[in-house]
Order: sequence, then C-alpha cells, then structure tokens
Amino acid sequence: AQSVTQLGSHVSVSEGALVLLRCNYSSSVPPYLFWYVQYPNQGLQLLLKYTTGATLVKGINGFEAEFKKSETSFHRTKPSAHMSDAAEYFCAVRGNFGNEKLTFGTGTRLTIIP
Amino acid sequence: NAGVTQTPKFRILKIGQSMTLQCTQDMNHNYMYWYRQDPGMGLKLIYYSVGAGITDKGEVPNGYNVSRSTTEDFPLRLELAAPSQTSVYFCASSYADWTANYGYTFGSGTRLTVV
Repeated sequence: AQSVTQLGSHVSVSEGALVLLRCNYSSSVPPYLFWYVQYPNQGLQLLLKYTTGATLVKGINGFEAEFKKSETSFHRTKPSAHMSDAAEYFCAVRGNFGNEKLTFGTGTRLTIIP
Repeated sequence: NAGVTQTPKFRILKIGQSMTLQCTQDMNHNYMYWYRQDPGMGLKLIYYSVGAGITDKGEVPNGYNVSRSTTEDFPLRLELAAPSQTSVYFCASSYADWTANYGYTFGSGTRLTVV
C-alpha cells in the first residue's frame, strides 16, 4: 500500500518569500514521487519527479524538490515566490513496474500575497 | 497533438439519470485512468485500464462502470446518478513505464452536478 500526506491544505506567502510545500509518503517499495500543479479549471500538469539517482530534482520556474528517504519526505521549495506560482499543488506516489497507479495527496493551495 | 480529450466539460444530471463521460487519447498510451476530484480530498482513482479489453477497479468504483474496447477510448458510465457523484472527473493516460520517466497526461476535466 502507498499513501501521501501533504501538510497544510492552504499556504500563503508574500511575493519574494521562500515557498515550502510539504509532502510525506508511505510506500512498501522504493517509491517514485511526483509533484503536479493544477491551475483553475484545468487538469494536472507534471512539474517534478523523483525516480532514482540524484535526490535533489529541479523543475521549471525555480522550484526544486528533495527526496529524503530517512524522513520519507519529498518537500518542494522555491527561494523566491512569484505571483504566477499561485495554484494548487499535488504530491503523488507510485510503485514500480506493474503498479503504475498514482496515489495523490489532498493538495496544497498556494496563495501569493503581493 | 490533442493529448487527452474529455467531453462534455460541464453537465447537470437529475438523480437517477445516466450518462457517459467520454475520454480519448491520441498518444498510443497503454494505460488509462479515471479520477474524481472533490474539494479537500485530492484525486481518487475510480477505474483504470492497462490495455484494450482490460479494466480494473480503483479506490472508489461504486456507481461507475468502464469499458476499453480500443487503445484510444476509455468511457466512464454512470448508471443511476446520485448527489454523491457530484464532482470533477479527470481522465489520464500514460505509458506502461517502469522507469517512471513519463508522468500522466491529464484531460481538462468534466464538472458534473447531480441535482
């Protein structure tokens, strides 16, 4: 069984401030981890993924996420928030070959304060 | 390059009515999925398919049915609509990708209201 917990359903930060979106996972096998973004009235878009190798993964627009096995976490950070970062973000986990189903967290809505 | 196309975008149903949500992908993806999204609940998997003729239940299958007669199409059927099925429905597709080099491609969703 696999699951994802996103701490904080709503996060508000000022423009230019650090953004931290938290994600903890539970998986009985080495996980593959993902971050997706959803803008209003749209589907989800893939932003970041961790499969194997480097534990720090970088995405577009300055976001990055770090896989920490000891903490079962895949938190997402950005040093300086921009107004265009406002959206809802979902963390997701899946297993290996033969178990490609994604399990999503409940989402974190990020608001940027001007 | 259309990706994943869902129709309709919006629909209002009366209790007890039935309808089919259509989903088509043009990327030759093996795997297809139906999720529902409710506020504060994230996405819950309803049904999925690993190829034509093969479907399986996800986390919340009750009240729904699916079929996969072709690689491209994966319709979701609601037989007797209930208010609890008011939600936003997303279809997604992916390769049979053991390396996870590719994520899912999502459609833009169908917003369904049952009254």
